[in-house]
Amino acid sequence: QKEVEQNSGPLSVPEGAIASLNCTYSDRGSQSFFWYRQYSGKSPELIMFIYSNGDKEDGRFTAQLNKASQYVSLLIRDSQPSDSATYLCAVRPGTASKLTFGTGTRLQVTL
Amino acid sequence: DAGVTQSPTHLIKTRGQQVTLRCSPISGHKSVSWYQQVLGQGPQFIFQYYEKEERGRGNFPDRFSARQFPNYSSELNVNALLLGDSALYLCASSTDLNTEAFFGQGTRLTVV
Repeated sequence: QKEVEQNSGPLSVPEGAIASLNCTYSDRGSQSFFWYRQYSGKSPELIMFIYSNGDKEDGRFTAQLNKASQYVSLLIRDSQPSDSATYLCAVRPGTASKLTFGTGTRLQVTL
Repeated sequence: DAGVTQSPTHLIKTRGQQVTLRCSPISGHKSVSWYQQVLGQGPQFIFQYYEKEERGRGNFPDRFSARQFPNYSSELNVNALLLGDSALYLCASSTDLNTEAFFGQGTRLTVV
């Protein structure tokens, strides 16, 4: 079992729709969860982080965390073509300060 | 404020050579981490430094080494380069060990 799992996609959504990106993790002691956006050929950009169960909203982005189910998700409302990128889920395990990344989900927002 | 800066941005090396990559963290950040990202994969953790001390090491061979300087900048060294070392090398800085990490633009290393 991979430490952090994401569907590689591509996930295709029409402009203006809600994109839902999902991530599961194996270390039950994980404390911190991050979403990075990575455009092709560029470095990852931090867009959301969440430490507690529940929802956290920032503009068009909402991160959702369910530690009991070991599941974290990212919702993007009113998706725009500029949101087309790979979204990386990263988890900080409970016993270390490194980040463990999934392989990323490629999102395509179509006109 | 300047973000995380890495140099060089691109590099081509021959197998067997050595390479040094450099990173300057965001002002006020004391922790620097290094990651390797190959095409189609998420970044893989190589090292983390905090206050000039190594605080974590990933599953990479001893050919990989790093250090952090008193001004919190960092260098990653890779000896005896292999073709498989071709990747995007990312530096991330954070205020301390367990806070949010921000990446630099990366150094794309090609080994031929």
